[in-house]
Amino acid sequence: KAGVTQTPRYLIKTRGQQVTLSCSPISGHRSVSWYQQTPGQGLQFLFEYFSETQRNKGNFPGRFSGRQFSNSRSEMNVSTLELGDSALYLCASSLFSEQETQYFGPGTRLLVL
Amino acid sequence: GENVEQHPSTLSVQEGDSAVIKCTYSDSASNYFPWYKQELGKGPQLIIDIRSNVGEKKDQRIAVTLNKTAKHFSLHITETQPEDSAVYFCAMGNAGNMLTFGGGTRLMVKP
Repeated sequence: KAGVTQTPRYLIKTRGQQVTLSCSPISGHRSVSWYQQTPGQGLQFLFEYFSETQRNKGNFPGRFSGRQFSNSRSEMNVSTLELGDSALYLCASSLFSEQETQYFGPGTRLLVL
Repeated sequence: GENVEQHPSTLSVQEGDSAVIKCTYSDSASNYFPWYKQELGKGPQLIIDIRSNVGEKKDQRIAVTLNKTAKHFSLHITETQPEDSAVYFCAMGNAGNMLTFGGGTRLMVKP
């Protein structure tokens, strides 16, 4: 089985722009979670989607949003980018949505200039 | 809110020695505790996980122990090899699939 894939792998944007990141879960997995990883704050939960519905949301501003499609693929969007949004954005998938084993993708590294 | 503390932040061992990483947590309702290994330029890779109905779990050279009363769990790696060098993260499962991560331990195995 193919693992979790994320596109693009690298991205450079400038302050004020917006960005959309994509995640394709492992085939058959219905839950997709997003995390932000930075040297200062570590790994922080952004949100989780299951069957096209947002199940949980972390402590991030409304500039961070996401969605999930009927094929379980997910996108996250960050609007009005700030320098502090520079991070590795990781997507994880699991079969269901209750403390299930999660498998991470390679991440998208976003640099905001 | 929920919090996971991980120690040590760096750990250097000689090849063949054992390595132990410890985590303590605050949310007594959590029942799921995974460990991830992250190599440079890659996403975290699940290496072992444990659920609260089990006190210890082993997988070859890796073992995890859980003490729910004391709210701590530990990762044990025996017979360490240079390829074990990486950053290791403990995590605690919360609502749904939300994970709260520890701060990470950089393990260096010297040949």
